[in-house]
Amino acid sequence: AQSVTQPDIHITVSEGASLELRCNYSYGATPYLFWYVQSPGQGLQLLLKYFSGDTLVQGIKGFEAEFKRSQSSFNLRKPSVHWSDAAEYFCAVRKTSYDKVIFGPGTSLSVIP
Amino acid sequence: DVKVTQSSRYLVKRTGEKVFLECVQDMDHENMFWYRQDPGLGLRLIYFSYDVKMKEKGDIPEGYSVSREKKERFSLILESASTNQTSMYLCASSPGQGAGQPQHFGDGTRLSIL
Repeated sequence: AQSVTQPDIHITVSEGASLELRCNYSYGATPYLFWYVQSPGQGLQLLLKYFSGDTLVQGIKGFEAEFKRSQSSFNLRKPSVHWSDAAEYFCAVRKTSYDKVIFGPGTSLSVIP
Repeated sequence: DVKVTQSSRYLVKRTGEKVFLECVQDMDHENMFWYRQDPGLGLRLIYFSYDVKMKEKGDIPEGYSVSREKKERFSLILESASTNQTSMYLCASSPGQGAGQPQHFGDGTRLSIL
């Protein structure tokens, strides 16, 4: 069955430090890939998405993600974290239009001032 | 911007009550979804709908039902609430059938069943 793993349950970084959040999926072909962010008390907001083409995609709030087919990974990165980035981050995949979106368990990010 | 509005941010109900969670979207989206979110489990799909009066079971439909009488409104119903249904409930919508269309989420309803 299709699945999404986010190996890190919780990450703490200092403000200004770089960030990488990991996401791995299990599916033979390249699915549609998404990263969402959930700030405290709010719903999920789309950061970026990947379907095909350039494997490095840019999103909102200064985030980017890199698709690596050989590793079945779609890791999220940010060069310099701001305190407002503290939130829960979800990776999600979808195979085709006829499949449901599968969400990973999420990674909680804390930012130390 | 797409706006998905959930009628309540916080709700407290008693065991055995019939509970209604309402969701309205203002962008004429065909697809609407109900998820529940629990720590460490991510989002789990309860029900979804691709059109008015259509509904499909998600991964955890037991104990829930839905209603979609109008395109913009998707209601989740807990027929007889139980304590294990205490959770955060998120509604989402998306346009059409395109696989790349992202879902737009409401701010959630935190439901407590006593």
